[in-house]
Amino acid sequence: AQTVTQSQPEMSVQEAETVTLSCTYDTSESNYYLFWYKQPPSRQMILVIRQEAYKQQNATENRFSVNFQKAAKSFSLKISDSQLGDTAMYFCAFMNSGAQKLVFGQGTRLTINP
Amino acid sequence: NAGVTQTPKFQVLKTGQSMTLQCAQDMNHEYMSWYRQDPGMGLRLIHYSVGAGITDQGEVPNGYNVSRSTTEDFPLRLLSAAPSQTSVYFCASSFRGQNYGYTFGSGTRLTVV
Repeated sequence: AQTVTQSQPEMSVQEAETVTLSCTYDTSESNYYLFWYKQPPSRQMILVIRQEAYKQQNATENRFSVNFQKAAKSFSLKISDSQLGDTAMYFCAFMNSGAQKLVFGQGTRLTINP
Repeated sequence: NAGVTQTPKFQVLKTGQSMTLQCAQDMNHEYMSWYRQDPGMGLRLIHYSVGAGITDQGEVPNGYNVSRSTTEDFPLRLLSAAPSQTSVYFCASSFRGQNYGYTFGSGTRLTVV
């Protein structure tokens, strides 16, 4: 069974700083997808960024980028120029190709301070 | 286009009561799932469905039932509520074969006393 681990329960940075959230996963599959979801205080789950395992190029979405290390089974999220609106819980998630069942990590609570 | 709609948003139940959490999507998604979110544990899969008439168990199915009579609806039934079922419940949906992740509802916060 796949597992996803987020080793940082909480993080706090100042506005405009860059922050990196860590995620590792365990799988024997070769074809899969990785996601970062954001959950603000409103509770809504919002997809931030997605990475396909067969693509070597790291995904980017504006201020959000990932460092995908397939051999190390690592998938970290970098937030550049952090903003107060980035304050939220962030979940790393794994999905096996074909199974379409998401497996989530425990989450990292990120606080951006003014 | 409403996306994924969950009702109710909040609910308090007494131990032993039963209830149904409603989930509806208007995106014609084949896949639908129910997750529960507990502090420090992320989201865990309860039940899922790959299409009308087809359901299967996830990681934590005990105490919950589901059915999928239409593509749009995927209700979650608590048969006899227990305090251990106090949680936030999310319904999510996706197209089959589209690995873009799921679209989530806004969640139901359930408290069992």
